[in-house]
Amino acid sequence: AQSVTQLGSHVSVSEGALVLLRCNYSSSVPPYLFWYVQYPNQGLQLLLKYTSAATLVKGINGFEAEFKKSETSFHLTKPSAHMSDAAEYFCAVSFSGNTGKLIFGQGTTLQVKP
Amino acid sequence: DTGVSQNPRHKITKRGQNVTFRCDPISEHNRLYWYRQTLGQGPEFLTYFQNEAQLEKSRLLSDRFSAERPKGSFSTLEIQRTEQGDSAMYLCASSVPLSGGVTDTQYFGPGTRLTVL
Repeated sequence: AQSVTQLGSHVSVSEGALVLLRCNYSSSVPPYLFWYVQYPNQGLQLLLKYTSAATLVKGINGFEAEFKKSETSFHLTKPSAHMSDAAEYFCAVSFSGNTGKLIFGQGTTLQVKP
Repeated sequence: DTGVSQNPRHKITKRGQNVTFRCDPISEHNRLYWYRQTLGQGPEFLTYFQNEAQLEKSRLLSDRFSAERPKGSFSTLEIQRTEQGDSAMYLCASSVPLSGGVTDTQYFGPGTRLTVL
């Protein structure tokens, strides 16, 4: 069965520090991978997605993620954290040929300290 | 493009009552999804429409839940005889399927937060 695991429910970084949010997936078929961000009491906003065109994907707000098939990972990074990055981040997977429904990880709360 | 809208944004109801939520997708998006998100968890898929046809339902969608998309535009999600366990954020998303088997990008609404007392 396909699944997504986000390692670390809470991550805390200082402003200006590197952000690394981890995501591993389990799939028997080639996946499509997504990162979404959710601010309090709001819906989900797409940060970036991997669709097999390039393994390094650049998204909005300076975020990027690298697809590593050998490690079944799709970790999200940002070189320098900003206070406005504090939010909940979700990794999700979908699969070619299906309905397009997303399977989400449990989420990681990013705290940015001044 | 006004984005996906959902109404109401908040709903408080008593156990046993029926509730209905509405989702208006982005214009011309023919795919529409419903997800449920409980506190501290990621969203879970409930059901999916392609135009007016409901093509997939999760096992999470008990017989107390029903969703419709009568004209292939807006959708409603009704919960009958609500239970405290139904308390959650209900999210709607819409998309346009891409050709070549590439998965589409789903755009989410702000959600409806349901509290069952």
